[in-house]
Amino acid sequence: KNQVEQSPQSLIILEGKNCTLQCNYTVSPFSNLRWYKQDTGRGPVSLTIMTFSENTKSNGRYTATLDADTKQSSLHITASQLSDSASYICVVRGNQGGKLIFGQGTELSVKP
Amino acid sequence: GAGVSQSPSNKVTEKGKDVELRCDPISGHTALYWYRQSLGQGLEFLIYFQGNSAPDKSGLPSDRFSAERTGGSVSTLTIQRTQQEDSAVYLCASSPQTSGGPRQETQYFGPGTRLLVL
Repeated sequence: KNQVEQSPQSLIILEGKNCTLQCNYTVSPFSNLRWYKQDTGRGPVSLTIMTFSENTKSNGRYTATLDADTKQSSLHITASQLSDSASYICVVRGNQGGKLIFGQGTELSVKP
Repeated sequence: GAGVSQSPSNKVTEKGKDVELRCDPISGHTALYWYRQSLGQGLEFLIYFQGNSAPDKSGLPSDRFSAERTGGSVSTLTIQRTQQEDSAVYLCASSPQTSGGPRQETQYFGPGTRLLVL
């Protein structure tokens, strides 16, 4: 079983709509959680970083939440744009200096 | 400023041949990572270098895979006697360091090398 599970696997939404992507993890002890955006054919780019003491972090139209008790995180995208079409990857670091553990990603497609 | 660069961007090779993939990290970044991303799969950690410390090779899938980092900068990932299952995107990332807080640990990824083994 993966230590970082993301859902849904893929999602199609209409431009302008909101959506929420989920990430559940079992990694313990936990240091921080990141969301990356990976455009097709490109490397991942960091969107947000949250430590265990942070509940929410925003980056423009992207808002990430974290519940360290239930080991759940979500990424909310507001007023989606065509350029939001990408794979969104949840990444957890187990402890300070530990390896990153990657989820398999959610493939988001925003249609006009 | 310049980001992480990788070369070649695409590589097609015959089964059994050796390939070398190159990564130029961001200048000044002490940590360098190699990952493999297969179609529909998450990123798979391969190896990482931190300064002058011995590299963490725990993710290398077989002894056909090796990597080195010369002068604490450029890194080369070598795959010997390639197999079809080696076909994947190989991503390199660098970070300022691996401790000191999440922002210092943020990894900046290159565009990847797409390897196809026929």
